[in-house]
Amino acid sequence: DAGITQSPRHKVTETGTPVTLRCHQTENHRYMYWYRQDPGHGLRLIHYSYGVKDTDKGEVSDGYSVSRSKTEDFLLTLESATSSQTSVYFCAISAEVTGERGNAEAFFGQGTRLTVV
Amino acid sequence: DQQVKQNSPSLSVQEGRISILNCDYTNSMFDYFLWYKKYPAEGPTFLISISSIKDKNEDGRFTVFLNKSAKHLSLHIVPSQPGDSAVYFCAASSFGDYKLSFGAGTTVTVRA
Repeated sequence: DAGITQSPRHKVTETGTPVTLRCHQTENHRYMYWYRQDPGHGLRLIHYSYGVKDTDKGEVSDGYSVSRSKTEDFLLTLESATSSQTSVYFCAISAEVTGERGNAEAFFGQGTRLTVV
Repeated sequence: DQQVKQNSPSLSVQEGRISILNCDYTNSMFDYFLWYKKYPAEGPTFLISISSIKDKNEDGRFTVFLNKSAKHLSLHIVPSQPGDSAVYFCAASSFGDYKLSFGAGTTVTVRA
């Protein structure tokens, strides 16, 4: 199994409070991602990182920010949590691939179930 | 707008029979396709992939077929086993773009 640890695994928070989710990897992979999983939507990309301090927005980035100060850590912050951000959040990592194949599979963490009340 | 679509939310199949999961995509730039399997309370796990230079890839009981002209791929599981009961996600990416776009998933139930 890929070395990916998400913390916390479960969290309940109140509307309007900031929340930070942590993703830690031991694989030294370049790329890291945050997805959210919701019924009927599958997995949707929130933000991703292609290196230390290099991040970009995904398709559902509003209300979220990220930081990556070290290769192994990728933090997701909900600046002011809302009930619509109740979801399961997954961190994923992938390695850089050289050569003619320009893609690599992503490996996922166990997920963080976040409930905003 | 979702670029990867799995139009069947669920599939029920008898143990030992074939499971066929379908996936359609709209982005013609996609050239790498993956299937993930997910059990409850766990993260998705990579199952099998195929690049656009192929039309078939096999790994044990799992075979993925790609029809580029129809922008369609399918996953065949033969024979289906009870442990195959899970949610299956189809995903796609473009060359050099490591971000994956996912479908909504298909829940497979294998009946004894």
